[in-house]
Amino acid sequence: QKEVEQNSGPLSVPEGAIASLNCTYSDRGSQSFFWYRQYSGKSPELIMFIYSNGDKEDGRFTAQLNKASQYVSLLIRDSQPSDSATYLCAVNARGNQGGKLIFGQGTELSVKP
Amino acid sequence: GAVVSQHPSRVICKSGTSVKIECRSLDFQATTMFWYRQFPKKSLMLMATSNEGSKATYEQGVEKDKFLINHASLTLSTLTVTSAHPEDSSFYICSAPSSGAATDTQYFGPGTRLTVL
Repeated sequence: QKEVEQNSGPLSVPEGAIASLNCTYSDRGSQSFFWYRQYSGKSPELIMFIYSNGDKEDGRFTAQLNKASQYVSLLIRDSQPSDSATYLCAVNARGNQGGKLIFGQGTELSVKP
Repeated sequence: GAVVSQHPSRVICKSGTSVKIECRSLDFQATTMFWYRQFPKKSLMLMATSNEGSKATYEQGVEKDKFLINHASLTLSTLTVTSAHPEDSSFYICSAPSSGAATDTQYFGPGTRLTVL
């Protein structure tokens, strides 16, 4: 089992819809969870981080964390074509290891006009 | 968010030469930085953890003599690809936690695209 798993997609949604991106992780001791967006040919950029169970909202983005189910998700409301990118889920490594993160393989999102 | 820079953004070199890539934290100090490589359509692969004042920690399967890492100061880490070959062509990206604490957020540099002819 991979430490961090994401559906590679592509996930295709129409413009204006809600895009739901999911991620599961294997280490029950993980404490920090991150979502990054990566456009083709560019480096990842941070969208959100979440540490506590529940929802965290920032503009059109909502991160959801359920530690009991070892599940973290990212919702994008009112999806725009400019949201088309690969979304990477990351979890802090076992024992933290100086801030090391474990990344999922990423989910490719395509928002159709 | 915190700013991390990389230089150069793109480099083309001949097989057998060495290439140095710099990673700088511009508005914060980083005792730890991370180096990744990414092939097209693939996810990030962590190569090593760069530690200020001590040796880098390499991931399994990464040749430490080929990918030399030096963390010269609290704002600068360098990755040198020695005797580069075409299979080393990739997108190299560094990142740094914003304040060095274990759970702090990592910020990525813009990446360096290396092409070895």
